[in-house]
Amino acid sequence: DTEVTQTPKHLVMGMTNKKSLKCEQHMGHRAMYWYKQKAKKPPELMFVYSYEKLSINESVPSRFSPECPNSSLLNLHLHALQPEDSALYLCASSQHRGGFYGYTFGSGTRLTVV
Amino acid sequence: QQQVKQSPQSLIVQKGGISIINCAYENTAFDYFPWYQQFPGKGPALLIAIRPDVSEKKEGRFTISFNKSAKQFSLHIMDSQPGDSATYFCAASIDNNDMRFGAGTRLTVKP
Repeated sequence: DTEVTQTPKHLVMGMTNKKSLKCEQHMGHRAMYWYKQKAKKPPELMFVYSYEKLSINESVPSRFSPECPNSSLLNLHLHALQPEDSALYLCASSQHRGGFYGYTFGSGTRLTVV
Repeated sequence: QQQVKQSPQSLIVQKGGISIINCAYENTAFDYFPWYQQFPGKGPALLIAIRPDVSEKKEGRFTISFNKSAKQFSLHIMDSQPGDSATYFCAASIDNNDMRFGAGTRLTVKP
């Protein structure tokens, strides 16, 4: 299995809703990442988990809350989002931090906040 | 602050031609330089990568040229095909941490 699977593929939520994005990989990777990508822009790093511990938070608003329950799973909990948070949310993984392995990305969750 | 500068923003090439995308960086601590290809509705996919101790790396029709003294690197796509039409991102990282992306180049290969 060489994939990163993200669910759901599409999500529409109101500004008062609570929802979660899920990311799963079974490649034995020990580093996992959340990126946000706006239309026609590059991916922007949000969070980095290394060995299930949060190692980087790129000053992301607290309405985004990451969670790494185990080495294969990464969640992003969403609460009280704003319309400007609408974007493609990408999950990625790599063997571990350090080294030269590159990242494997999922296809993303297209989030629309109404 | 953009750590990796990429050009051009868009590129149109005829089928069979050579596509060239350029990137420049400032941070000499970067030690890993991958290129990603992204199709609409999909996540970026790793295409090819290079480390600064190598000046060129070739994989099939894709070649990275790396100029350490100029702090520049480029992607060459030989014999470009319509199926290569996508957005290409250069990126850089230190010890595979915190991958930072260039702004992207939208490549269109005309039949």
